[in-house]
Amino acid sequence: GAVVSQHPSWVICKSGTSVKIECRSLDFQATTMFWYRQFPKQSLMLMATSNEGSKATYEQGVEKDKFLINHASLTLSTLTVTSAHPEDSSFYICSARTPVVNYGYTFGSGTRLTVV
Amino acid sequence: QKEVEQDPGPLSVPEGAIVSLNCTYSNSAFQYFMWYRQYSRKGPELLMYTYSSGNKEDGRFTAQVDKSSKYISLFIRDSQPSDSATYLCAMSRTVTGTASKLTFGTGTRLQVTL
Repeated sequence: GAVVSQHPSWVICKSGTSVKIECRSLDFQATTMFWYRQFPKQSLMLMATSNEGSKATYEQGVEKDKFLINHASLTLSTLTVTSAHPEDSSFYICSARTPVVNYGYTFGSGTRLTVV
Repeated sequence: QKEVEQDPGPLSVPEGAIVSLNCTYSNSAFQYFMWYRQYSRKGPELLMYTYSSGNKEDGRFTAQVDKSSKYISLFIRDSQPSDSATYLCAMSRTVTGTASKLTFGTGTRLQVTL
């Protein structure tokens, strides 16, 4: 089946540093990937939609310069949290639309970011 | 008002019970409806996908969509402790382009007890 591999699964970084999160579609080509943020006991909040070869579309209120998204190939999208602060600590999840008959989205396993 | 409303629970049921999970929505443009299961600190996994109104059954799971009432349901029969998770409803307007983005409910935490 369609698999999206997300790395790292967890990361701790110091305030002011940058962190890159990768999402790869392993057995299919993902022209569109979605990046979500999830706070404890809350639902997924869409941050941005990334399209291969073009600029990402950010949701209202999401800082483009802080959350850099790159979708350079059909199988790889990255999210870089720049100059991270403790309030950026969260669970980040990517997803891609899968080319399957019963249409749906496949999600990565998520990345827990803790900024200290 | 949120586009998608879902009772956050928690919902606690004994093993073997029938579970009913529900979402209501306000945007009549939604046509694709999904239910995801999410275990703690994991990404959501797709359980059921339905297009437009109707019922769909897959094993112990049944999804229902009533577009006239803007109401969707997920039923779990013979619930098991392994079903304990957060269940998220999600929906989209289309399957291509930016309108294909999913709008999620808040998720309902389900606990199935022995």
